[in-house]
Amino acid sequence: DAKTTQPNSMESNEEEPVHLPCNHSTISGTDYIHWYRQLPSQGPEYVIHGLTSNVNNRMASLAIAEDRKSSTLILHRATLRDAAVYYCILSGNQGGKLIFGQGTELSVKP
Amino acid sequence: GAVVSQHPSRVICKSGTSVKIECRSLDFQATTMFWYRQFPKQSLMLMATSNEGSKATYEQGVEKDKFLINHASLTLSTLTVTSAHPEDSSFYICSALSTGGVWGYTFGSGTRLTVV
Repeated sequence: DAKTTQPNSMESNEEEPVHLPCNHSTISGTDYIHWYRQLPSQGPEYVIHGLTSNVNNRMASLAIAEDRKSSTLILHRATLRDAAVYYCILSGNQGGKLIFGQGTELSVKP
Repeated sequence: GAVVSQHPSRVICKSGTSVKIECRSLDFQATTMFWYRQFPKQSLMLMATSNEGSKATYEQGVEKDKFLINHASLTLSTLTVTSAHPEDSSFYICSALSTGGVWGYTFGSGTRLTVV
């Protein structure tokens, strides 16, 4: 399974954009890039996923590098409720298992 | 959207007893479900992949006789922790894979198991 590398922690100010980076240099052509986030004592919550093109949804945007070796999750205006651990995960194919790395703990300051 | 219900949310059991955790996909059919465990301040660790109608596939180091997984229907998978010991105390999380329409993974809210 291809691995991902994320910073352990990041800080943001409320109402400002946040860019969460993820490196996945060993990604294969069929790997999907998934982002989930987890609040304490809760299950992970889906944020966004993509394959090659940038993706937008109501929660966030996903910017995927042209060589697909890295991606960035963009929260356009951070709120206090966005404070969580964010996981960037690759899946080998549609239906493959998700192997979680350590994720990035995002704190949001008022 | 897809919803996965996990029950119970919390359970305390005595050492040596068994505990069953249920994971249900409420509005979709899930041929594949996954079970994770998470210790405090750590990431999720995949324990096993559960396929409807067949035996679960366990990750290396996970005892299949201790963590019994049953996936008898397209909407229900269960994890039974047998002869639980204090070191089994953890946060257990299930995930269901939906493949109809837009595919994706939906996670349950987790079960906090405390073995005393």
